[in-house]
Amino acid sequence: GNSVTQMEGPVTLSEEAFLTINCTYTATGYPSLFWYVQYPGEGLQLLLKATKADDKGSNKGFEATYRKETTSFHLEKGSVQVSDSAVYFCALSRNRDDKIIFGKGTRLHILP
Amino acid sequence: DSGVTQTPKHLITATGQRVTLRCSPRSGDLSVYWYQQSLDQGLQFLIQYYNGEERAKGNILERFSAQQFPDLHSELNLSSLELGDSALYFCASSVVGDSTYEQYFGPGTRLTVT
Repeated sequence: GNSVTQMEGPVTLSEEAFLTINCTYTATGYPSLFWYVQYPGEGLQLLLKATKADDKGSNKGFEATYRKETTSFHLEKGSVQVSDSAVYFCALSRNRDDKIIFGKGTRLHILP
Repeated sequence: DSGVTQTPKHLITATGQRVTLRCSPRSGDLSVYWYQQSLDQGLQFLIQYYNGEERAKGNILERFSAQQFPDLHSELNLSSLELGDSALYFCASSVVGDSTYEQYFGPGTRLTVT
């Protein structure tokens, strides 16, 4: 079936460090891929998305590239801030109006 | 602010009880989705409604039911509650046919069953 696997956390980094959170997926066809972020005590916010192979999604300094050959959508940021501390979810959706399938989430903790 | 509202924010109740969670989608969105976030199961899709009709079902227990009303708000009913039902319940809405498949999530209702 369709699934998303992401690296387990927690991930602890110092401010200004480089961030990578790995995500791979299994899906039939050509799903859309997402990264959602959940800040402490809040709901889910869409961070970025990519809808076809080789697309790069970007937002707030975060980037992820849809790699069909490796079925991956790794999240990267060049210089993290304390305010980036949150839980990050990689996710996919196969079709319009279809449910979103989430990975288990990766908790990120940034030290000042 | 996503434009999706959920009430109540927190709910504490006892085992065996019944509760109703409410969701109002973004203006103009016809599709509503319910998700459950728990420590052991992660984020799981429960059910989807489109313009008042059930459209898709996920891992929703028989003790749970939902509906979408003519004004498009939705309610998730949880009955015969068990300790394991304690979780964060999210509602999301989307524009039907949105080419980016994006869903907008509400802030969630945290349910604690004691």
